[in-house]
Amino acid sequence: DAKTTQPPSMDCAEGRAANLPCNHSTISGNEYVYWYRQIHSQGPQYIIHGLKNNETNEMASLIITEDRKSSTLILPHATLRDTAVYYCTPYSGAGSYQLTFGKGTKLSVIP
Amino acid sequence: EAGVTQFPSHSVIEKGQTVTLRCDPISGHDNLYWYRRVMGKEIKFLLHFVKESKQDESGMPNNRFLAERTGGTYSTLKVQPAELEDSGVYFCASSRGYIQYFGAGTRLSVL
Repeated sequence: DAKTTQPPSMDCAEGRAANLPCNHSTISGNEYVYWYRQIHSQGPQYIIHGLKNNETNEMASLIITEDRKSSTLILPHATLRDTAVYYCTPYSGAGSYQLTFGKGTKLSVIP
Repeated sequence: EAGVTQFPSHSVIEKGQTVTLRCDPISGHDNLYWYRRVMGKEIKFLLHFVKESKQDESGMPNNRFLAERTGGTYSTLKVQPAELEDSGVYFCASSRGYIQYFGAGTRLSVL
């Protein structure tokens, strides 16, 4: 299974863009990069996923490097409600549907 | 549309007792998953149902844990007998495709 590396914590000023990096250098060709977050006392929440092209939805943007060894989740205008632990996880769904959660990045949005 | 619901939200039992956790998935989702986070560690996969069949139970820690999904609707996870190390938060998720939607979890405290 691919292993991911994320910084343990980051701060971001409210209203500014939050850029959360993830290294997944051993990702395989058929694995997507999925991002979830866990707000305190809630279950993980799906944010976005991508294979090799950049993706955007109503929550965030995902930038994946051309070699697919790393990605960055961008929250364009962070709010206090975005304070959470963010997880990136390679996921193909082939053979096993289990998600692998590492330690993630604790994002603190500061007023 | 109702999300994934879990009952109870919190359970406190003594070592050696039995506890049953319940998960109601999103209507129409054939895939149902159980995960848990114990002792401040990472969220770990337990098992995956497709309708009423166990697709992957590679994460089940031992035979004190029994998961069922009769009729392919709600699922139960029974711990019998509970041990101290079973304390943690148990999450259920469901999906129609690859995106998993999580419930708020059941916090289990074994004293």
